[in-house]
Amino acid sequence: AQTVTQSQPEMSVQEAETVTLSCTYDTSESDYYLFWYKQPPSRQMILVIRQEAYKQQNATENRFSVNFQKAAKSFSLKISDSQLGDAAMYFCAYRQGGSEKLVFGKGTKLTVNP
Amino acid sequence: NAGVTQTPKFRVLKTGQSMTLLCAQDMNHEYMYWYRQDPGMGLRLIHYSVGEGTTAKGEVPDGYNVSRLKKQNFLLGLESAAPSQTSVYFCASSRPTGIQYFGAGTRLSVL
Repeated sequence: AQTVTQSQPEMSVQEAETVTLSCTYDTSESDYYLFWYKQPPSRQMILVIRQEAYKQQNATENRFSVNFQKAAKSFSLKISDSQLGDAAMYFCAYRQGGSEKLVFGKGTKLTVNP
Repeated sequence: NAGVTQTPKFRVLKTGQSMTLLCAQDMNHEYMYWYRQDPGMGLRLIHYSVGEGTTAKGEVPDGYNVSRLKKQNFLLGLESAAPSQTSVYFCASSRPTGIQYFGAGTRLSVL
């Protein structure tokens, strides 16, 4: 079974600085998708960024970018110019190609200090 | 833009009581899902549906039942609630193999 590991239960960053959240996954499949979801105190799960495994180029969404290392099975999230509104739980998730199911990591709590 | 709406937002039950959580989506998505989130854990899939009238078990289905009588609605039932079912429940919907969009969650406490 596929597993997703987030080794950092908590992280903190100063406002305007850059922070990187780690995620590793275990799979024997070649067709899959990876996601980062943000969960602020409101509990709403919000998609931050998505990466298709077949794409070599790292996905980017404004201040959010990923470092996708397929051979190492690593999928880290970089947040640039951190803002107070970035404070949240961040979940890494995996979906096998053709499957409906998302497998989530346990999350990383990000604190942004003013 | 309602998206995915969950009802109720909070509920307290006594052990042995039953209840139904309602999920409604207005995006005409084929797939719908129910997850639970416990402290220190990511979301775990309870049941899901790939279309009206179909349901399937996820990772943690025991103690729950679901129904998808209409495309836009997905119901999660607890027939006899147990304290182990105290959790936050999330509904999500998606197109086939598409991005999942989540509701705001239901916090359930079973005493």
